[in-house]
Amino acid sequence: EAGVTQFPSHSVIEKGQTVTLRCDPISGHDNLYWYRRVMGKEIKFLLHFVKESKQDESGMPNNRFLAERTGGTYSTLKVQPAELEDSGVYFCASSQVQGPNEKLFFGSGTQLSVL
Amino acid sequence: EDKVVQSPLSLVVHEGDTVTLNCSYEVTNFRSLLWYKQEKKAPTFLFMLTSSGIEKKSGRLSSILDKKELFSILNITATQTGDSAVYLCAEKNNAGNMLTFGGGTRLMVKP
Repeated sequence: EAGVTQFPSHSVIEKGQTVTLRCDPISGHDNLYWYRRVMGKEIKFLLHFVKESKQDESGMPNNRFLAERTGGTYSTLKVQPAELEDSGVYFCASSQVQGPNEKLFFGSGTQLSVL
Repeated sequence: EDKVVQSPLSLVVHEGDTVTLNCSYEVTNFRSLLWYKQEKKAPTFLFMLTSSGIEKKSGRLSSILDKKELFSILNITATQTGDSAVYLCAEKNNAGNMLTFGGGTRLMVKP
C-alpha cells in the first residue's frame, strides 16, 4: 500500500513567487492534515480537511496560503506570494477515521526554501 | 495555548546504552499523548498514551504517561545505530484533531 506522498520533495523559489505543494493521502483516508516546521521551531498545525471540506483552518498563518482538496482526494497548498519566513518543511498527514484512536500517517514533507 | 516541551534537545550515546527521553505538556482538556520517530523524512508513529501509569511497549521501546505531573517518558534499551533519529512528542486535546508538537529530541547512537 502506498503511503502519503508529497511533491515536490524540495522547492527553491524567490521571494514574491508562487509555489504549489501537493499531497496525495493514503487511498480511502478522508482526513488530510497540513503541518509545517519552520527552522528552529516545532511542527505546527496548519489545517484539516475531512474529504473536500475544511474542518479546521485555524493554523493557517495568513491569506497568502490557500489549501484546496477538490474531490476529496489529493490536496494542494499554494503560497502566493512567498515570503522569506515561509521557508520550512511542509508535512502532509492522513488518517482513516477521527476520534480517540486516530492514527496519522505522515508524508516525507516538502522542503521549501524562499530566497 | 497548549504547549509541549521535550528534553534533552539532543543526545549522543553508544550502542547498548539505555536512554530516556522526556516530554512535558501544558494542555487544557487533554486527550492523548503521542510519540513519533523521524529518521530522515516522514515521522512514523510509535505510541499513543491516554491513561496514566500504563506502560506501552514495543520491542526495546517503551513509554509511560503521568497525567498528574503532566509528563511522559520514552525509554529505549540496548540502543542500536538504527535508533538514531529525532523523537517527537505531541499531544491532542478534546477541542479538535490537531496535534501540538514538542521541538523533538535528536538522538545519535554511535557504534
